Amino acid sequence: GENVEQHPSTLSVQEGDSAVIKCTYSDSASNYFPWYKQELGKGPQLIIDIRSNVGEKKDQRIAVTLNKTAKHFSLHITETQPEDSAVYFCAASIYNNDMRFGAGTRLTVKP
Amino acid sequence: GAVVSQHPSRVICKSGTSVKIECRSLDFQATTMFWYRQFPKQSLMLMATSNEGSKATYEQGVEKDKFLINHASLTLSTLTVTSAHPEDSSFYICSARATGVPKNIQYFGAGTRLSVL
Repeated sequence: GENVEQHPSTLSVQEGDSAVIKCTYSDSASNYFPWYKQELGKGPQLIIDIRSNVGEKKDQRIAVTLNKTAKHFSLHITETQPEDSAVYFCAASIYNNDMRFGAGTRLTVKP
Repeated sequence: GAVVSQHPSRVICKSGTSVKIECRSLDFQATTMFWYRQFPKQSLMLMATSNEGSKATYEQGVEKDKFLINHASLTLSTLTVTSAHPEDSSFYICSARATGVPKNIQYFGAGTRLSVL
C-alpha cells in the first residue's frame, strides 16, 4: 500500500521567513496530494491540494509543488505569520481510494 | 469549503458505557465517510471506511464489535464506542468525501475528544 513520509517533524521559523515541508510517497499510481493544517484540539483543514497532472499550484502565500518522477511533493509557505503555527499533514491517495497521511510537521512561527 | 459537523466535541464517560459520535456533512452528500483516531502528537490513524448503505470496512487491528459504524444516509455516519475503557480515550475525527466532481477531496470534522474514566 501507499506509504507517505514527511519531513521535518518540527520546524521553527521567524515571522516573515519562508517554511518548506517535504513529503515522499511510494505508490506511483497516487494522483491526489492534499495538505491539511491542524490547530490544537481541532480537526484538519484542507489548505491546498494538487493533482498529478499539475506540477505546481499556488494560493496566496501557500504553494505546493509536485515531482511525479521523484515521487515527492512540497508545501511552501511564504511570509509566515504567527497564525500559521500549527501541525501540517501531507497526504496521498489514488482516485477514490482512502488517503494515507504523513506523520505531520509541527510548525512554529516566532514573532 | 464544504462543512463537516462532528458532535459532541468532547465527552467524558465512565468505563463500561457506550458513546456515540455523529458526523454530518452539512452542505454536500458524502457517499464515503472515514473515521480516524489520533493520539497526542501523532498522525491520523484510519480506523474504518464507511459507505452509505453498506457495512464499514475496518483497518487491520480495529475491532469492529468495539467500534460500531453506521452510515445510514448520504449525510450522516455514526461511530459508537461500545463498553468504553480508559485505553479508548483518544481524539476521534471523522471525514467525508464528496460525491461528484472533484473527487478524492476529504473534509474533516472538528474531532471528538473522548475521555474514559
